[in-house]
Amino acid sequence: DQQVKQNSPSLSVQEGRISILNCDYTNSMFDYFLWYKKYPAEGPTFLISISSIKDKNEDGRFTVFLNKSAKHLSLHIVPSQPGDSAVYFCAAAGEGKLVFGAGTILRVKS
Amino acid sequence: SQTIHQWPATLVQPVGSPLSLECTVEGTSNPNLYWYRQAAGRGLQLLFYSIGIGQISSEVPQNLSASRPQDRQFILSSKKLLLSDSGFYLCAWSVDSSFYGYTFGSGTRLTVV
Repeated sequence: DQQVKQNSPSLSVQEGRISILNCDYTNSMFDYFLWYKKYPAEGPTFLISISSIKDKNEDGRFTVFLNKSAKHLSLHIVPSQPGDSAVYFCAAAGEGKLVFGAGTILRVKS
Repeated sequence: SQTIHQWPATLVQPVGSPLSLECTVEGTSNPNLYWYRQAAGRGLQLLFYSIGIGQISSEVPQNLSASRPQDRQFILSSKKLLLSDSGFYLCAWSVDSSFYGYTFGSGTRLTVV
């Protein structure tokens, strides 16, 4: 049973445009959400997070939006750069656990 | 500063052979330690976590085991590898039970042949 779902395995975006990565979760006990970025043959690195008491958190080119009623969050990258090409994992924390989605491969074309 | 070391980076092992992957953390004490696996086309699956020496919790039944012989050392083992054990194994640590910014190691690519 996947509690955190990233339904788009991959996304291709032109450099300079907006990248939107989506994530859905099923467990209403999750109260903290994170995005990780992973390059090939490396461990994931923390990118940005949001608490369930907020609906938006911004850090430079990266913004995470949380819609609790829809159990949906999204990561916006504006403007997208070729160096953003990586796998992005959505993660949800709660009940003492951190659960990851399957990841979305983002390719930013120059 | 805190660092996490994981080795080896790549490993090719025959079916039925034993496995030992090691992870160590420096610059912190009493970290929470985790082993994750990323199988081909799948997300990060939590295998084991530890909140202290000798304290191991297993999330998924399998032929793998974990041990924490020292405060900052976490070992993933198997007595007999299966083909399905192939994947990318990641060790991670966090402060107490905080999920803010897990720090991951660089991972081990295991191929069972």
